[in-house]
Amino acid sequence: GENVEQHPSTLSVQEGDSAVIKCTYSDSASNYFPWYKQELGKRPQLIIDIRSNVGEKKDQRIAVTLNKTAKHFSLHITETQPEDSAVYFCAAINFGNEKLTFGTGTRLTIIP
Amino acid sequence: KAGVTQTPRYLIKTRGQQVTLSCSPISGHRSVSWYQQTPGQGLQFLFEYFSETQRNKGNFPGRFSGRQFSNSRSEMNVSTLELGDSALYLCASSLVGTGVDEQFFGPGTRLTVL
Repeated sequence: GENVEQHPSTLSVQEGDSAVIKCTYSDSASNYFPWYKQELGKRPQLIIDIRSNVGEKKDQRIAVTLNKTAKHFSLHITETQPEDSAVYFCAAINFGNEKLTFGTGTRLTIIP
Repeated sequence: KAGVTQTPRYLIKTRGQQVTLSCSPISGHRSVSWYQQTPGQGLQFLFEYFSETQRNKGNFPGRFSGRQFSNSRSEMNVSTLELGDSALYLCASSLVGTGVDEQFFGPGTRLTVL
């Protein structure tokens, strides 16, 4: 089955700096890669996603890149703000089996 | 439009008991997925239901089961509870299925097994 590895497990950045979280996946058939943000005590929420036919996607301060050859994808947050502090999960899925496999999460702390 | 709701929000059980958790998806959503979230294992897929049929299943023992009703509401059952079943159980709904359209999570049911 699919295996998703996520690094780093914790990340602290100064407010205003950029944060990068990386994930690798094992199943080359995976074709959809969402990123979720989970604030303390709250439910995960989709913040951005990318499909396998796209190399990069941006939404304001958030961007995701996908390298299908290397089987890795990354989340980039620029101009970080205190409200970006949360746990971020990457995930991968193959439309064929629709079993969403999550990474282990990254706890991002923005230092004011 | 109301979001995904789960009941109960908190539950305390003892080993050997069984438990049923409920999930009401967003109106119009036909796909409901269940996940187990623990500090050690992270978020793990349990199963997905679509139109009252289990469409996909994760790697959990048969003690974990579920069903979906004609109104798309879903229930998850865990029998013969073990201490390791203590977790936050999240359900998520989408119109057709994960990856096809956005999946929305419920607030979760926190199960504690004593």
